[in-house]
Amino acid sequence: NAGVTQTPKFRILKIGQSMTLQCTQDMNHNYMYWYRQDPGMGLKLIYYSVGAGITDKGEVPNGYNVSRSTTEDFPLRLELAAPSQTSVYFCASSLGTSGSPQEQYFGPGTRLTVT
Amino acid sequence: GENVEQHPSTLSVQEGDSAVIKCTYSDSASNYFPWYKQELGKRPQLIIDIRSNVGEKKDQRIAVTLNKTAKHFSLHITETQPEDSAVYFCAASRLTGGGNKLTFGTGTQLKVEL
Repeated sequence: NAGVTQTPKFRILKIGQSMTLQCTQDMNHNYMYWYRQDPGMGLKLIYYSVGAGITDKGEVPNGYNVSRSTTEDFPLRLELAAPSQTSVYFCASSLGTSGSPQEQYFGPGTRLTVT
Repeated sequence: GENVEQHPSTLSVQEGDSAVIKCTYSDSASNYFPWYKQELGKRPQLIIDIRSNVGEKKDQRIAVTLNKTAKHFSLHITETQPEDSAVYFCAASRLTGGGNKLTFGTGTQLKVEL
C-alpha cells in the first residue's frame, strides 16, 4: 500500500491565483481530513469527510473548498490565494467508526507559499 | 470548541533520562487523546493513544497517563535516545460517528543530548 499520497510537494502561488491540492489513500479508509500547519504551530483542521459525498467544515475552513466523489480521493481547493494561506498542508485518513482504531495516517504534506 | 494547551514548548534532556510532556484540554466530552511525533520535514506519526475509559497506557519506553477530573494528560518517555529528538504533539477529540476531529496542541520540541 502507498498509504496517503499528496501532490504537489511544493508550490508557489501568486496572490489571487487558485489551485487544487490532491490527496489519495489506498487503505479503504472512510474518514479523510485536511490540516494546515503554520511554522512552529500545531495542526489545524480545515475540512473533513466521513465518506464519499459527505464533507464538513473544521476549525479553519475560510478560503478553502473540498469535495469527496470517491472513497480514495479528497482534493482541497484554494480560491483566490492569500499570503495567510502560506503553510504546510497535510491530508490524513482513518478507518472510521468509533469502535475501530482511530489512528490518522498522514500524507507527506504540500508546502505552499503565496506571494 | 475544544482547546488544547501543551507544555513545555521546548525540552532538553540528557540521553538516558526521562522526558515528560503535559497537555490540558477544555472539553469534558473529549474521549480520545493521541500523541504524534513529527521529525523535521516529515509527516506526523502516531506513537501512542488513550481513550477516556483508561487511566494509563504503556508501549515499551512510552507511556501516557490521563486524569479526566483535572482534564490533563501526559506523555512519558523513559531511557531517552537521540532518535527520540523530534516535535511531539498532543491532541484531543470526541469520538462520534461524525468523524474524529482532532484539536492539536502547539507542540514540544524535544532534544536528547548525548
